[in-house]
Amino acid sequence: ETGVTQTPRHLVMGMTNKKSLKCEQHLGHNAMYWYKQSAKKPLELMFVYNFKEQTENNSVPSRFSPECPNSSHLFLHLHTLQPEDSALYLCASSQFSGGFTGELFFGEGSRLTVL
Amino acid sequence: RKEVEQDPGPFNVPEGATVAFNCTYSNSASQSFFWYRQDCRKEPKLLMSVYSSGNEDGRFTAQLNRASQYISLLIRDSKLSDSATYLCVVAAGNKLTFGGGTRVLVKP
Repeated sequence: ETGVTQTPRHLVMGMTNKKSLKCEQHLGHNAMYWYKQSAKKPLELMFVYNFKEQTENNSVPSRFSPECPNSSHLFLHLHTLQPEDSALYLCASSQFSGGFTGELFFGEGSRLTVL
Repeated sequence: RKEVEQDPGPFNVPEGATVAFNCTYSNSASQSFFWYRQDCRKEPKLLMSVYSSGNEDGRFTAQLNRASQYISLLIRDSKLSDSATYLCVVAAGNKLTFGGGTRVLVKP
């Protein structure tokens, strides 16, 4: 079983659809992250949750809505997206203790295409 | 100026050769530094942390130059399996910033 699991792996949606991305970590970590990776651009941090509390929202449009019901699960709810939102969405987890000192473990990503 | 900047490459490297590349960062308060590796259409994975005194892990050597604000990665005796994108990651507090990556292609 992989440490960080993301579903679905691929998603195609229209601009008026509502969908959700799911992430689950089996590593006992207390921090979870959503990153966006677009072609030819660096990974962009979207949201950070420490102990289920959102600690960072990196100026992400409201059409992306995160949810963290517990320290093992993270969702990204999507609605009325734009074609430029097409990207690879990566979930990651880490053990956070007052600062980043360790390793980020990434899921395999959800590749999103918005038509 | 980008917070973390890398030469995108690609660096075309003959098998067995040595390749080195740098990553510059703009935040002088940065505390921790890492190299991640990302294979095509895969997730990034930690390659190695970068320590102040420099560190080595097998064929990989990482260096940190705080005065000039850059880190470097050197790969010796390149293998075909070293072909990947190498991502520089800089941490300041709990904020991580990724570079755009340097693509390395090792050819027979």
